[in-house]
Amino acid sequence: EAQVTQNPRYLITVTGKKLTVTCSQNMNHEYMSWYRQDPGLGLRQIYYSMNVEVTDKGDVPEGYKVSRKEKRNFPLILESPSPNQTSLYFCASSPLTEAGEQYFGPGTRLTVT
Amino acid sequence: QKEVEQNSGPLSVPEGAIASLNCTYSDRGSQSFFWYRQYSGKSPELIMSIYSNGDKEDGRFTAQLNKASQYVSLLIRDSQPSDSATYLCAVNEKDGGFKTIFGAGTRLFVKA
Repeated sequence: EAQVTQNPRYLITVTGKKLTVTCSQNMNHEYMSWYRQDPGLGLRQIYYSMNVEVTDKGDVPEGYKVSRKEKRNFPLILESPSPNQTSLYFCASSPLTEAGEQYFGPGTRLTVT
Repeated sequence: QKEVEQNSGPLSVPEGAIASLNCTYSDRGSQSFFWYRQYSGKSPELIMSIYSNGDKEDGRFTAQLNKASQYVSLLIRDSQPSDSATYLCAVNEKDGGFKTIFGAGTRLFVKA
């Protein structure tokens, strides 16, 4: 089954404790992206990647890191999480260079206390 | 700051009616436009994409694009209770075409 998977689905952590949210897709898509979704603000892009070893900032990259060492994986790293990073996170992938027709993972709900 | 604006709603329509959802965008150079549907507690799923001025129909859904007015709309004909969801408008930036800007979404309720 073609899909985007994220792990973990739910995570509660404390301020400053490094964490990684994994994202993997099995559709051989070049483009991958991370978003956060907050009430009233919609989806905001954190980082995106056009291909292996190619990443770029979205609108809200502060406090996040990403890497793209393999085509199928695009982990999101929070080196020192803070409470304002409490949010619902989505990973997405796309086969198109225009990167508009995106397929989303199930989401990861992160709470930082 | 490039923006995509949507009325947050909720928009309430009776079953069988036409639901009309609207979106405006600020970047005149935007080339690609998308509508996603998001059920409560679920991830967004693509329902329509449109790239040129005019109408594009797919089943009960019609997307309309007017680049001169920087306006995108989605019509849902014969609305069903299962259409009740939040509808997200998304626009791709022109340069490089790799950034996607989402609107905050419009909540739609279809009353049986």
